[in-house]
Amino acid sequence: ETGVTQTPRHLVMGMTNKKSLKCEQHLGHNAMYWYKQSAKKPLELMFVYSLEERVENNSVPSRFSPECPNSSHLFLHLHTLQPEDSALYLCASSPIRGPGGELFFGEGSRLTVL
Amino acid sequence: AQSVTQLDSQVPVFEEAPVELRCNYSSSVSVYLFWYVQYPNQGLQLLLKYLSGSTLVKGINGFEAEFNKSQTSFHLRKPSVHISDTAEYFCAVRGYGGSQGNLIFGKGTKLSVKP
Repeated sequence: ETGVTQTPRHLVMGMTNKKSLKCEQHLGHNAMYWYKQSAKKPLELMFVYSLEERVENNSVPSRFSPECPNSSHLFLHLHTLQPEDSALYLCASSPIRGPGGELFFGEGSRLTVL
Repeated sequence: AQSVTQLDSQVPVFEEAPVELRCNYSSSVSVYLFWYVQYPNQGLQLLLKYLSGSTLVKGINGFEAEFNKSQTSFHLRKPSVHISDTAEYFCAVRGYGGSQGNLIFGKGTKLSVKP
């Protein structure tokens, strides 16, 4: 496998469920990101990890909990979500976090909260 | 902080016609600029980027963009589009250093190419 892989591609969950989204990058990058893509809204940066350390949390509700066990893997743990959390969640990685670093995106995980 | 405005949410165009997708940005610091494309049910893919140097940047699939600092614009152009160019296009800006180094996206422009 190459690039950035996200699983599952589709997820339907109830408001009381606990689930996780997984992201894996095979590019040797040092930084990983979670973005939320909702209809008619710009992509929202949720979390940034650089060298496995969380360097940014953009006021994301605590019902979203990221985890970066190593530089190749990134998780987004979900619990007690709301219907408005339904969206496409995109993972990305980059070789450097600084300016000019291009982001490489996965295909996304489409989340539906009932 | 930076912000990006994509002036058109949807652009319909006929095949083989030229197209321009508009992007304006605001920033208190110098920036790097990007265009990404998202095909249906896929993630985002980089089309081109401006970091420095020539203001006319050429990317994949025959697209190009021109950085205009005085007008704070980075419009995307293609002289002749194909059906396969139907997708959503995102302009993004990244400032220099620290938290300004995060990529900020516009709302996207949906390009629809008709036969």
